[in-house]
Amino acid sequence: QVQLVQSGAEVKKPGASVKVSCKASGYTFNNYGISWVRQAPGQGLEWMGWISGYNVNTNYAQRFQGRVTMTTDTSTSTAYMELRSLTSADTAVYYCARVPGAITANWFDPWGQGTLVTVSS
Amino acid sequence: EIVLTQSPGTLSLSPGERATLSCRASQSVSSSYLAWYQQKPGQAPRLLIYGASSRATGIPDRFSGSGSGTDFTLTVSRLEPEDFAVYYCQQYGTSPLTFGGGTKVEIK
Repeated sequence: QVQLVQSGAEVKKPGASVKVSCKASGYTFNNYGISWVRQAPGQGLEWMGWISGYNVNTNYAQRFQGRVTMTTDTSTSTAYMELRSLTSADTAVYYCARVPGAITANWFDPWGQGTLVTVSS
Repeated sequence: EIVLTQSPGTLSLSPGERATLSCRASQSVSSSYLAWYQQKPGQAPRLLIYGASSRATGIPDRFSGSGSGTDFTLTVSRLEPEDFAVYYCQQYGTSPLTFGGGTKVEIK
């Protein structure tokens, strides 16, 4: 079955960086993209950006431009999201989600289980 | 960016009742590129509806979506105990992709 398995919880200090992984299985990685979404404690969902599973194309939300980098390793069917210059406002659960096709404009299905990133001094 | 406003914020209903959730967009959602997700506590969201009205694989037919332009609706015809959760709408036609603030469906 299609599955996205994310890396474990992280605790980081302000100013540090975090890199979350998302390993895909059960489908052809190249035929889909991956979007990243975060959810602060008790809050709603916020889209961070998208990366193609086929080439290096990315589409980042403006508010994360310059601070986020999304990459993939097609040899292991794994997507990565790195967020730099962390502050307490970045404390959230980070989700990856599969996106059909080679474009940003599609729905998310399925989602990874989520990775809690806590930023605290 | 397109702002999605969901109403009501909380819906208190009993099992067996009908739930009607609204999602209004600040501008027209291109090609009805609107999805609905269900999220239960401690779980990732799950896709219910895409393209405004197409049910995702494995989703029961008591869930239905409708609407176009700026006004969209998710209807749950008869609430089952497992349907009590938070529901989010999302537009994916215009970047940045955006989500509504969610509607919590709770047991009355």
